[in-house]
Amino acid sequence: GAGVSQSPSNKVTEKGKDVELRCDPISGHTALYWYRQSLGQGLEFLIYFQGNSAPDKSGLPSDRFSAERTGGSVSTLTIQRTQQEDSAVYLCASSLDHLSSPLHFGNGTRLTVT
Amino acid sequence: AQKVTQAQTEISVVEKEDVTLDCVYETRDTTYYLFWYKQPPSGELVFLIRRNSFDEQNEISGRYSWNFQKSTSSFNFTITASQVVDSAVYFCALRNAGNMLTFGGGTRLMVKP
Repeated sequence: GAGVSQSPSNKVTEKGKDVELRCDPISGHTALYWYRQSLGQGLEFLIYFQGNSAPDKSGLPSDRFSAERTGGSVSTLTIQRTQQEDSAVYLCASSLDHLSSPLHFGNGTRLTVT
Repeated sequence: AQKVTQAQTEISVVEKEDVTLDCVYETRDTTYYLFWYKQPPSGELVFLIRRNSFDEQNEISGRYSWNFQKSTSSFNFTITASQVVDSAVYFCALRNAGNMLTFGGGTRLMVKP
């Protein structure tokens, strides 16, 4: 399909390990967002990429979190030295570069840190 | 900075009842868009509607309707004759000139048969 694709869909990791989460946005969408959703909670903004501009990293909870977007397309969210409180669903979304453009979300990656 | 508040964390209704989900927002921008998303139990976020800050006309789509009032900074969502399939978490969101999409905390709607 032509939607936002995230992989893996589920990830179980041991505390202290690093993880990488991948997002393939909709082709042509210049804006890409990462959000985090803990169980039964709302959406917490993490980071936003827009074209070639510097990303807005204001939502990253600690320096263990980082993200990059290569070639203006695929994005990877990396969490180093994972902690149990990092367990959540990580959602990626993309949109066109316009206020009116709704965000299209992927199905998320459910991360469980044991 | 902007903020979206959904004061109702959970609402429970019986099928066929009407229900209104409240959304209040704060922003200093004059140009912005408001959105509603639905998150059913399966987890995916589904876009429902958008409204720009210059268009206060209410909108109706089937059993769904939205009431945007700039005077009270509210963008409320009403489901008429609710159905069990409407059970989900509903999120209101605001997008401003910085392209940031700020979500409210969500309202969990439970429609009982």
